[in-house]
Amino acid sequence: SQKIEQNSEALNIQEGKTATLTCNYTNYSPAYLQWYRQDPGRGPVFLLLIRENEKEKRKERLKVTFDTTLKQSLFHITASQPADSATYLCALDRGYGGSQGNLIFGKGTKLSVKP
Amino acid sequence: DTGVSQDPRHKITKRGQNVTFRCDPISEHNRLYWYRQTLGQGPEFLTYFQNEAQLEKSRLLSDRFSAERPKGSFSTLEIQRTEQGDSAMYLCASSPRGYGYTFGSGTRLTVV
Repeated sequence: SQKIEQNSEALNIQEGKTATLTCNYTNYSPAYLQWYRQDPGRGPVFLLLIRENEKEKRKERLKVTFDTTLKQSLFHITASQPADSATYLCALDRGYGGSQGNLIFGKGTKLSVKP
Repeated sequence: DTGVSQDPRHKITKRGQNVTFRCDPISEHNRLYWYRQTLGQGPEFLTYFQNEAQLEKSRLLSDRFSAERPKGSFSTLEIQRTEQGDSAMYLCASSPRGYGYTFGSGTRLTVV
């Protein structure tokens, strides 16, 4: 069955360091992968999308990589700030031949950035 | 446009009662999704509309759940004969494409 794993439930880092979050998947061939941020009691907020034919995508302090051979995406936040503290969710479409109508989400990694 | 709106934000109901939630998507988005999220888990897909057509419904969704999107605008999600296991955050999202969802703040349901 299709499965998404995010490397850890929680990640604690010091302000100014780079946070690296991992998303691994099995039994998929997704056309694209997305990252969302979720704050407590709120809905997820879309951050970045990377397509299967892209190796890397950047947006301000965020960087996402996508390795379809390893079936893995890495999400980096450089020069992290306490305001970056949140849960980060990885999401994939069901891939070619699957439903085009919805995303499958990982459980998320809770990032805490200490001042 | 103020984004995706969900109403109510919180709902407490007794087991066995019916509840209905409303979602108002971004007006130009033709796709609308319902997800359910429990503590420590990612959002779990429930159902998906493109305009007024319900194109997919999760196999995990029991017959007690029904959703509508009349005229391709707002959507409602009804749960009949609620059970304690239905307690969760119910999230609505919309998008103009199959990615880059805009989520609402959700409706938190507590069944007592």
